[in-house]
Amino acid sequence: AQKVTQAQTEISVVEKEDVTLDCVYETRDTTYYLFWYKQPPSGELVFLIRRNSFDEQNEISGRYSWNFQKSTSSFNFTITASQVVDSAVYFCALSNFGNEKLTFGTGTRLTIIP
Amino acid sequence: GAGVSQSPSNKVTEKGKDVELRCDPISGHTALYWYRQSLGQGLEFLIYFQGNSAPDKSGLPSDRFSAERTGGSVSTLTIQRTQQEDSAVYLCASTRGSQETQYFGPGTRLLVL
Repeated sequence: AQKVTQAQTEISVVEKEDVTLDCVYETRDTTYYLFWYKQPPSGELVFLIRRNSFDEQNEISGRYSWNFQKSTSSFNFTITASQVVDSAVYFCALSNFGNEKLTFGTGTRLTIIP
Repeated sequence: GAGVSQSPSNKVTEKGKDVELRCDPISGHTALYWYRQSLGQGLEFLIYFQGNSAPDKSGLPSDRFSAERTGGSVSTLTIQRTQQEDSAVYLCASTRGSQETQYFGPGTRLLVL
């Protein structure tokens, strides 16, 4: 069985602050994939990043960075210098090799206060 | 290029009626997925197509739900005898192949009265 836990239901920060969204996963497979998606108020799920289980390198893309740690089964997402446009619900997801479906966490609603 | 499209964007129906939801995947994408997003259950997988066949239907909640895909492209999700608990946003995603990143459409918001 696989599971994704996003313990933070809602987070509010003032614009320009940094914020980290936590994601903890459970899987018995050794090969798996981790994802982050953003769901703005418009409702569409927007892909942000994909990581496979063999690649523990941290990733930085502009103001976004991701910290993947197999030792703690975590795949955390940090937004630096947050902006109002970052306000959305963020989902962490997991798929196992050979199993196509995504298992999603319950999402974290991020509100950036101007 | 064009993304995943879904129609209708909103659907209101009466309990007991049948509904059909449509998904057009990204051109050339061979795999197609249906998910449901509801307040109580979060984002749940429903069914996965590779080409026109559905190797994984494990997420369909009851036999009132069915889906088909024709020509390796468009897919239709049908809900028969709708119930109020079917009210949700139905999301479709597609990928170039297996184990690839899933790209989502805008969803169909279904309300069963």
